[in-house]
Amino acid sequence: SQQGEEDPQALSIQEGENATMNCSYKTSINNLQWYRQNSGRGLVHLILIRSNEREKHSGRLRVTLDTSKKSSSLLITASRAADTASYFCATVQNAGGTSYGKLTFGQGTILTVHP
Amino acid sequence: DAGVTQSPTHLIKTRGQQVTLRCSPKSGHDTVSWYQQALGQGPQFIFQYYEEEERQRGNFPDRFSGHQFPNYSSELNVNALLLGDSALYLCASSDLYDLAKNIQYFGAGTRLSVL
Repeated sequence: SQQGEEDPQALSIQEGENATMNCSYKTSINNLQWYRQNSGRGLVHLILIRSNEREKHSGRLRVTLDTSKKSSSLLITASRAADTASYFCATVQNAGGTSYGKLTFGQGTILTVHP
Repeated sequence: DAGVTQSPTHLIKTRGQQVTLRCSPKSGHDTVSWYQQALGQGPQFIFQYYEEEERQRGNFPDRFSGHQFPNYSSELNVNALLLGDSALYLCASSDLYDLAKNIQYFGAGTRLSVL
């Protein structure tokens, strides 16, 4: 079963605009990650934020985490047509060493950036 | 340095048949995880192999089985195929260091169609 939900399911913007995607989850987590997937192919890791972190930046990406609300957001600034893809959040539960490597994904947000 | 490679790229089978999918991890990686991604959904964890043993398993029936070889490559076997097994099957690899960060590297996937 999926860990949670992503919102919106689809997002369409113009190049240069910012894109914000949200993710909610259900259980206590060790960390939350965002992945990108182009055209139903493999996933590419974008950024990881630990449960004791509130915000993290990587290039044009900004991720926030609110463990009290069990939610995260991914902001892509100054979007480009090449950012068009599906974006997934994935969590690792706070279940000790046995949880390592088991990613639980949301259903994803389809982002379309128009030139 | 080759990334994670999966074969075949596409596969068509009929109900009741058996299928074997293959995965070669990224060089230096010793842990392989398998995920099933139905159309329009996020990936779901099937199982994980480390040191040739199944270390974790998701909520999948025994029809799904796997193997890891001494060179760390892995196979996913599905018996008695059902129409609902049609999906993109993703392999992800990592090493103990990266696994501690839970960063996994995904292959491009095998798209299985069951008719």
